[in-house]
Amino acid sequence: GENVEQHPSTLSVQEGDSAVIKCTYSDSASNYFPWYKQELGKRPQLIIDIRSNVGEKKDQRIAVTLNKTAKHFSLHITETQPEDSAVYFCAASTTGGGADGLTFGKGTHLIIQP
Amino acid sequence: DTEVTQTPKHLVMGMTNKKSLKCEQHMGHRAMYWYKQKAKKPPELMFVYSYEKLSINESVPSRFSPECPNSSLLNLHLHALQPEDSALYLCASSRGSGGTDTQYFGPGTRLTVL
Repeated sequence: GENVEQHPSTLSVQEGDSAVIKCTYSDSASNYFPWYKQELGKRPQLIIDIRSNVGEKKDQRIAVTLNKTAKHFSLHITETQPEDSAVYFCAASTTGGGADGLTFGKGTHLIIQP
Repeated sequence: DTEVTQTPKHLVMGMTNKKSLKCEQHMGHRAMYWYKQKAKKPPELMFVYSYEKLSINESVPSRFSPECPNSSLLNLHLHALQPEDSALYLCASSRGSGGTDTQYFGPGTRLTVL
């Protein structure tokens, strides 16, 4: 099955600086890579996703890059703000001819220092 | 309506009780999922329903029994649970069953087993 590694487990950055979170996956058949933000006591919320036919995707301050050869993908947040503080999860999904659940990384606790 | 709803929000049950968790979506999605999330851990896939049929069962103990009465509803029946089953149970749905459709999460049911 799929295995997703995520680093770092905790990331502390100054407000206004950039944050980068990295993930690697094991199954070369995986072709969908979402990122979720989860605030304490709340549901995971999708913030951006990328599919295997795209190398990079950007949405305002958030971008995701994908390197299928190396089997890794990264989340980039620029101009960080206090409300960006949360746990971020990367995930991977494999199309196996039917609906697939997501395999999540262990999460990164992002702390934005004022 | 772009929301997945879950009831109840909180549930406390004894090890001999029988209870059910409910999930509902009205987005016309044809795939629905149950995940279990322990504190400070990522969500772990339990079950996947595609077009109202169980397509993935991730070796979950039989004390958890899923049911999909129709395309909008997903239940999780609980019986003879153990204290280690205490967790946040998340329901999710996605449009299709191809594995690359965005999964939207409900707010979860926080379960405590005494």
